[in-house]
Amino acid sequence: DAGVIQSPRHEVTEMGQEVTLRCKPISGHDYLFWYRQTMMRGLELLIYFNNNVPIDDSGMPEDRFSAKMPNASFSTLKIQPSEPRDSAVYFCASSLGTLGNEKLFFGSGTQLSVL
Amino acid sequence: AQTVTQSQPEMSVQEAETVTLSCTYDTSENNYYLFWYKQPPSRQMILVIRQEAYKQQNATENRFSVNFQKAAKSFSLKISDSQLGDTAMYFCAFIAAGNMLTFGGGTRLMVKP
Repeated sequence: DAGVIQSPRHEVTEMGQEVTLRCKPISGHDYLFWYRQTMMRGLELLIYFNNNVPIDDSGMPEDRFSAKMPNASFSTLKIQPSEPRDSAVYFCASSLGTLGNEKLFFGSGTQLSVL
Repeated sequence: AQTVTQSQPEMSVQEAETVTLSCTYDTSENNYYLFWYKQPPSRQMILVIRQEAYKQQNATENRFSVNFQKAAKSFSLKISDSQLGDTAMYFCAFIAAGNMLTFGGGTRLMVKP
């Protein structure tokens, strides 16, 4: 398997624009996670899905952020409208197994810069 | 490209004892940072400890300390006086200037009463 695939690798956009980040989890994994990494706050969990259903979105910073998982092989994280403070690296990760027992596999991340 | 390897998928330790988690990495960079993250069942990633490559002194945070061997590209985490709350997944991670965080595969630690 190619691992967790994220696209794009880098995204530069202007304030106010819509940004869509994409993730393809490892085939067969039933959990998918979105994390945001900044130097100030480290790695934060934004949302996670189990079998395509959002389980916990309490980490989503505000209504400008939304995430979907229309099927087992694809998820998106959308920011609309984007702001400079959204600049960060966004990681997607997937895992297989019951709660607390799974091993997490990370994608390479998307580096987002909002000007 | 950077790689991070955690060779121990699972480990266990008795409460109050000491345990060491291994991490090795590969890079051609000279200036970089290394991290250990803890992931409890909530899935949140908690930064445990950070080490700057140019500092020879090993980082320490309360019961957590690292053994940083730059020449060997090794960065192990020692947990002293293990507590039940230390039960979690632990991830080693690496970042160099201009690059993104690279994670190891994780080590599941179980602290037994």
